Amino acid sequence: QKEVEQNSGPLSVPEGAIASLNCTYSDRGSQSFFWYRQYSGKSPELIMSIYSNGDKEDGRFTAQLNKASQYVSLLIRDSQPSDSATYLCAVNKDGGSQGNLIFGKGTKLSVKP
Amino acid sequence: GAGVSQTPSNKVTEKGKYVELRCDPISGHTALYWYRQSLGQGPEFLIYFQGTGAADDSGLPNDRFFAVRPEGSVSTLKIQRTERGDSAVYLCASSRGPNQPQHFGDGTRLSIL
Repeated sequence: QKEVEQNSGPLSVPEGAIASLNCTYSDRGSQSFFWYRQYSGKSPELIMSIYSNGDKEDGRFTAQLNKASQYVSLLIRDSQPSDSATYLCAVNKDGGSQGNLIFGKGTKLSVKP
Repeated sequence: GAGVSQTPSNKVTEKGKYVELRCDPISGHTALYWYRQSLGQGPEFLIYFQGTGAADDSGLPNDRFFAVRPEGSVSTLKIQRTERGDSAVYLCASSRGPNQPQHFGDGTRLSIL
């Protein structure tokens, strides 16, 4: 089992819809969870961080964490064509003691006008 | 500058040559990370510095790879006897400390011919 798993997509949604991106992880001791957006040919850009169970909202983005199920998700409301990118889920390894992140392969999101 | 700065942005060299990649982190960030990313994959951890010391170098693939951060700010990733398989985008990130959100530079695209 890979440490951080994401559906590679592509996930296609119409403009204005909700995009739902999912991620599971294997290390039960993980403490910190991050979502990055990566446009083609660019570097990852941090969009959300979440540390405790529940929901965290920031503008059109909501991150959801369920440690018991080892599951983290990202919802994008009112999706725009500019949201089209690859979304990377990242988990802090070793329960946060070392700092380095384990990334999934990313889910490619396409928002159609 | 305000963000993580990496130089050069592109590096093309021949198999067997030595290369150095430079990273200048965000001012005040004590933690610095090197990752590399191949096409279609998420970033893969290489090494993590806390201050001047390498806190975790478990991601370095072999002894051809080495990194330093002598004054706790700028870091250099050094690759000896380069191989074609070393071709990738090398990403540097920094954060205020372990477990804190990491911010990435634009990366160095390394091509080994």
